[in-house]
Parts: sequence; structure tokens; C-alpha cells
Amino acid sequence: DTAVSQTPKYLVTQMGNDKSIKCEQNLGHDTMYWYKQDSKKFLKIMFSYNNKELIINETVPNRFSPKSPDKAHLNLHINSLELGDSAVYFCASSLDSTYEQYFGPGTRLTVT
Amino acid sequence: AQKVTQAQTEISVVEKEDVTLDCVYETRDTTYYLFWYKQPPSGELVFLIRRNSFDEQNEISGRYSWNFQKSTSSFNFTITASQVVDSAVYFCALSEEDGGFKTIFGAGTRLFVKA
Repeated sequence: DTAVSQTPKYLVTQMGNDKSIKCEQNLGHDTMYWYKQDSKKFLKIMFSYNNKELIINETVPNRFSPKSPDKAHLNLHINSLELGDSAVYFCASSLDSTYEQYFGPGTRLTVT
Repeated sequence: AQKVTQAQTEISVVEKEDVTLDCVYETRDTTYYLFWYKQPPSGELVFLIRRNSFDEQNEISGRYSWNFQKSTSSFNFTITASQVVDSAVYFCALSEEDGGFKTIFGAGTRLFVKA
């Protein structure tokens, strides 16, 4: 009974490909997030959804498109992958945006 | 604009030493929330504490304690009698009303605890 799950855990792909990462939470939370963690461990928010509605959209290239089919799921689709997209991507959820976040295990994306 | 500074990039201690991780934040809001998260070598991010701007009480949880001081805009984290299992990267984070409660993370402090 994992609280926040992500698939896949590892993703190795070539430049130019399109890939998706899926995230699901079973905590009944209203808010979900995508973060990117670079090789220096710096964590940066990419997107935030509240009840399936996009509320935060940081300056992320529009090759990245989040989709929230329902409030328990937030998927991330990336088009035309570039070398600089290599990072660990974390999904998270919280009761609302003022509360602590619970993170998924991360997806390590390697673009070659 | 909100900002979180964790000036200590890496700290190395010997087991049983006490260690304090510093966190200084900037915000113009009166309503905001502060957090600490732990990222052990296994990579997952674990929530440790949440504090709102109206509650300056210090908190203790086992060997962990937090000191919140609005006068110095600091929210420091102390581990008493450190253990090897405390080795991790620790992140301080800030979420403010003005930013739509977007969470900004500090750069993290990597703590090494040697046996």
C-alpha cells in the first residue's frame, strides 16, 4: 500500500524520443506536483495541480506536458527528449498546497 | 520573492556528536510555512516537520529539534547524538501565500556521520 507511486523507476532513452512517467497517490490528497532534481541535488518545482486543475506552471519547456485524469493521478509526458532532461523526476502529493508533501520514489531519466 | 538559503553545503561529524543544520529564508509574506525534508542515500524524500509562520514554538521529536526564529528568519535543525543512519541530504523549504503557496527548496545540506 504505497502512498505515492511512480513508474517507471528508471528510464533510459535516446535524444529525440518521447516518454511518459506516471504517478498515482492513494492518500486522498487534493494537490499533486512534479519536481526535477538535477545531479547537484537541487530540487525545482515544475508543475502543481489541485483537483485536476493546473495551478503552478514554472518556466518549463513546453516539451513537458503534465496531465491529470483525476485527482489521484498526475502523469508527465516529455517530447523530443534532450540530454539536459537527464535528472531524477519526483512526483509528490499533499492535502493542499500549505501542507507537507509526500514524495514518490523518483524516476531516474537518462537521455543518451 | 521567496528564497531559502542553506549555507552549509556539507557537514561531517563523528557519531554521537550534535549537529545543527542552518536554514535562512526570505519572504515578504506574513503567512508562510516552513518544512524540513530528509533524502537518505537511497534517494527517497521524507518529510520531517512543518511549521507555520504564526507558531514560533520550538519542536523536539526524539533526537531531532527545530528552532524557529522569525527575528532572524531562521529555521534551524539540530540532531542530537548523531548516528550513521542520519547521513543524508537535508532540505529546508518555504511555501508562502503570495506565491500561491509554491514550495521553494533550499540547495540542501549533505550530512555525513562517521562511525
